Amino acid sequence: NAGVTQNPKFQVLKTGQSMTLQCAQDMNHNSMYWYRQDPGMGLRLIYYSASEGTTDKGEVPNGYNVSRLNKREFSLRLESAAPSQTSVYFCASRSRLDTYGYTFGSGTRLTVV
Amino acid sequence: DQQVKQNSPSLSVQEGRISILNCDYTNSMFDYFLWYKKYPAEGPTFLISISSIKDKNEDGRFTVFLNKSAKHLSLHIVPSQPGDSAVYFCAAEQGGSEKLVFGKGMKLTVNP
Repeated sequence: NAGVTQNPKFQVLKTGQSMTLQCAQDMNHNSMYWYRQDPGMGLRLIYYSASEGTTDKGEVPNGYNVSRLNKREFSLRLESAAPSQTSVYFCASRSRLDTYGYTFGSGTRLTVV
Repeated sequence: DQQVKQNSPSLSVQEGRISILNCDYTNSMFDYFLWYKKYPAEGPTFLISISSIKDKNEDGRFTVFLNKSAKHLSLHIVPSQPGDSAVYFCAAEQGGSEKLVFGKGMKLTVNP
């Protein structure tokens, strides 16, 4: 019962570097999401994918791109990292039939220096 | 403009007493409300939810109350236990929107 798996757990980038955050779920969920958590800001939605092949912007999409590779995997890419993107990133998934909320991964702690 | 507000950043209670966590929202289109619990270095975990057609939902020690006219919900934990010490997030969504909106969170500390 892995649920939602995120990799890596920790990452330090230099300003301008690029990287991809990986997320995979094994619950056959249709919808997947990327959130970021900053101190005093709660969780804010970056991008989401309501089904395989579709992606949409959330509240804070600037500086990010996403790919819904298949039903299981949803990746988040930072093309040119900035210090403002230092944050903890959470991936989540949900079935449309699920009234019990989203299942979150354990997070990726990203520091951009 | 913050649509889901948790105005108190922290709460400290004694073990065995009641913890009351409050949440206000501004968007009248929200029709589903959830509470999440988060421990350090872990992802949020679902705790309890309530639909706008109800005013109360109970699950063991946890009860969520919804007052639609006041756009207010609260989470009651009775009795509180030290293991309940965590950050609690209130969240809301409009059905079909695929966008869950979170409050800033509240840190609950339950003292033995």
